[in-house]
Amino acid sequence: GAGVSQSPSNKVTEKGKDVELRCDPISGHTALYWYRQSLGQGLEFLIYFQGNSAPDKSGLPSDRFSAERTGGSVSTLTIQRTQQEDSAVYLCASSLGPLSQGEQYFGPGTRLTVT
Amino acid sequence: AQTVTQSQPEMSVQEAETVTLSCTYDTSENNYYLFWYKQPPSRQMILVIRQEAYKQQNATENRFSVNFQKAAKSFSLKISDSQLGDTAMYFCALRGGDQGGKLIFGQGTELSVKP
Repeated sequence: GAGVSQSPSNKVTEKGKDVELRCDPISGHTALYWYRQSLGQGLEFLIYFQGNSAPDKSGLPSDRFSAERTGGSVSTLTIQRTQQEDSAVYLCASSLGPLSQGEQYFGPGTRLTVT
Repeated sequence: AQTVTQSQPEMSVQEAETVTLSCTYDTSENNYYLFWYKQPPSRQMILVIRQEAYKQQNATENRFSVNFQKAAKSFSLKISDSQLGDTAMYFCALRGGDQGGKLIFGQGTELSVKP
């Protein structure tokens, strides 16, 4: 079946602009995660959605970052007023559930470059 | 706080030989899971192997095996009969049983397999 997909694969934006990154999880996966991968910080957890529960936003670095998940499926990560330090690869992952022993399946990521 | 440390930023190995990647971690939980993920240049994160903390037996997946030392909080990955396709960044990751499934990653080890 289809894996996790993310779009766009690459995004170049000017400092101060808003960007939206999209994630389509594997069908039937109730848990969805966003991570950020950057040279200076490695791989960091950002936010986690599980079914209809309130998301775990504990990893979001600032209030410029937000995410939503519509209909328990597609998720959008929004970064407002982008800064150069936001440049990174944003990875999305999904899994059958948080406490399952199943793995998190990752998408190919979106490389964001803020100029 | 949970932490994962990979002390080897880069390693290389000759094709067909064996290599071991190191990982140490810290957690106060008794119920947790450990993972090794592979990220080739294509950026797609792929699960290599996982270990449940309550299991004493080391996990094995074909040429990949782990040495899980719970008391020492060590979780190393051994790759036998290395292949050129094993060239990738390898990440050690920890998932707590009560953390909603989010992964805490190490800094990564870049492995090069040389012909």
